[in-house]
Amino acid sequence: AQSVAQPEDQVNVAEGNPLTVKCTYSVSGNPYLFWYVQYPNRGLQFLLKYITGDNLVKGSYGFEAEFNKSQTSFHLKKPSALVSDSALYFCAVNRNAGNMLTFGGGTRLMVKP
Amino acid sequence: DTGVSQDPRHKITKRGQNVTFRCDPISEHNRLYWYRQTLGQGPEFLTYFQNEAQLEKSRLLSDRFSAERPKGSFSTLEIQRTEQGDSAMYLCASSLTQGANYGYTFGSGTRLTVV
Repeated sequence: AQSVAQPEDQVNVAEGNPLTVKCTYSVSGNPYLFWYVQYPNRGLQFLLKYITGDNLVKGSYGFEAEFNKSQTSFHLKKPSALVSDSALYFCAVNRNAGNMLTFGGGTRLMVKP
Repeated sequence: DTGVSQDPRHKITKRGQNVTFRCDPISEHNRLYWYRQTLGQGPEFLTYFQNEAQLEKSRLLSDRFSAERPKGSFSTLEIQRTEQGDSAMYLCASSLTQGANYGYTFGSGTRLTVV
């Protein structure tokens, strides 16, 4: 079985400040980890993924995520938040390049001007 | 081909009616996935195809749900005898083989409202 936890329903941050959206996972075997963003009434847009290699992964729109195997975490980060980053963010895991993405419950990011 | 297309974007139906949604994947993608997303939740995997073969369907929510991909291109998801609990966003995604390596591309979804 595989699962993802996003412990924060909402994260509030001021524009220009760094942001972190937390994600922990549980999976047997090698985790393939993803972050997606969703704007209202839209599908999911890919931000970044970790498969192997460097634990710090850089993605779209200035986002990055750090894979921590010992803590089974894959937190999403950005050095300087923009108001336009306000959206719903989902972490997902896939086991051993399998075919079923398991998503967390999502975290709403609110960036205030 | 600019992405994954889903039709319709919105569907309102009366309880008990049948509905069918269509997904057109990225043309070179041989894998196609269906997910359901209820309000305030993350997407939930339903089924997937490799070309025309449906390789996983045990997670379809009930026998009222069925999916097809007859020619290995577009896919349809049908819900028979809809119930109010079926109200959700239905998302389609596509990928090359080993989607985890190459990434999944999602469509904008079909929002179903059962009244």
